[in-house]
This record gives sequence, C-alpha cells and structure tokens, in this order.
Amino acid sequence: DTGVSQDPRHKITKRGQNVTFRCDPISEHNRLYWYRQTLGQGPEFLTYFQNEAQLEKSRLLSDRFSAERPKGSFSTLEIQRTEQGDSAMYLCASSLRGEQFFGPGTRLTVL
Amino acid sequence: AQSVTQPDIHITVSEGASLELRCNYSYGATPYLFWYVQSPGQGLQLLLKYFSGDTLVQGIKGFEAEFKRSQSSFNLRKPSVHWSDAAEYFCAVGADRGSTLGRLYFGRGTQLTVWP
Repeated sequence: DTGVSQDPRHKITKRGQNVTFRCDPISEHNRLYWYRQTLGQGPEFLTYFQNEAQLEKSRLLSDRFSAERPKGSFSTLEIQRTEQGDSAMYLCASSLRGEQFFGPGTRLTVL
Repeated sequence: AQSVTQPDIHITVSEGASLELRCNYSYGATPYLFWYVQSPGQGLQLLLKYFSGDTLVQGIKGFEAEFKRSQSSFNLRKPSVHWSDAAEYFCAVGADRGSTLGRLYFGRGTQLTVWP
C-alpha cells in the first residue's frame, strides 16, 4: 500500500502525559500537513512542511505542540502535558501538487 | 477571512433518490475547491476537485459538483444514491501557493443517511 500511513491509530493517555504521533507520507510527496478534527467538526489546519521546512503553523498549535520532519520524509507530532481538550482525531495529509491525500488518522483520548 | 459553510448538518435520502449537498465559501483569492468523504473512524477520501476550466467536474463514485463563482458555491450532486454512500461529506477550499496547495479550510461537514 502506497498511501499515507499514521501510527498509532488509537492512543489513550492520562492528562499531563506526553504523546507522539507518526505520519509516513506517500513517498514522492514533498508537502506534509497536520490537521485536527473534533467530533462534529471538519478538520482544522495545524501545520505543514515542505520537505523538512515547517512553512506555516496555525495559532491552534500551542507551545505544547511541536512537529518535526527531520529528513523530509516522515513527520512526528508531539503533544506535551496533554489536556482533555486535546482529545481529537489527528490527521496527516501529503501532496506533491494539487490535492492532499489523507491518512487514516490517530484518535487521541485524554482521560 | 477564509471560510466554508455547509448549511446542512444532516441529510436523509432514500436509496435511488437524487442528492445535492450544499457548500458556500468565502475566499479572497481564486479558490481551489474539493469535496472529501469520510466513513466512520476513517480518514478523508477525495471525491473530486476544481482547479480551473470547466465548472462542472466529475468525480469518483458517480459524484459531480458545479462551481458557481457568482454564488460562491460548489454543490455536490449525485443522480441516484446508493446505501454505501452513507458517510460524512466535507467541502474544502484552498489556494495555490507556488506550485502546490497550502492549507485547506474545511466546512463542518454534512452527515448523509440513506434509507433502504
């Protein structure tokens, strides 16, 4: 399968813990995007990379959130000191030009 | 400010009936428009896109959408709905940033229920 993959698919954590998610884009895609989706809402943009450079960050991405794409391939999204409000689906997408292709998402539940 | 409005939160249709899902956008630049579909617990699958040219675009699974610049709309249509079309549908708008798209702005989605 050559689609976008995300790991883990589900994560349950306790408030205050740190979590890290991974996204592997389609291999030749140079752009990678992170979105967050809460129940009953559409995805909201968090950040995106072109190759290893982080080009834009949403104000939704507080200081507790950090994203990296060290070699321009896979990306990680880390949330420090998780809060219950962080519970959401975290979606990753990649593109070469034009449309964005989405992965299956990581569902985070913060207890 | 950029925004997408999907005025219908939930639509119910009978199998075989026609379908139209509404989408209105507000965007300062020339918009690129998309419709995505999401099944429960899954990521988003692209149904169709509009970049330029013919304002009636065809997508997968028998869907089509029409871009109307004067109405700032990009409504999704299907002439005959199948039970497997039950899902959540999202309209999105973006703009060209150099050679590729930047961020997308999504509507809140329309949940489609199909009665047998």
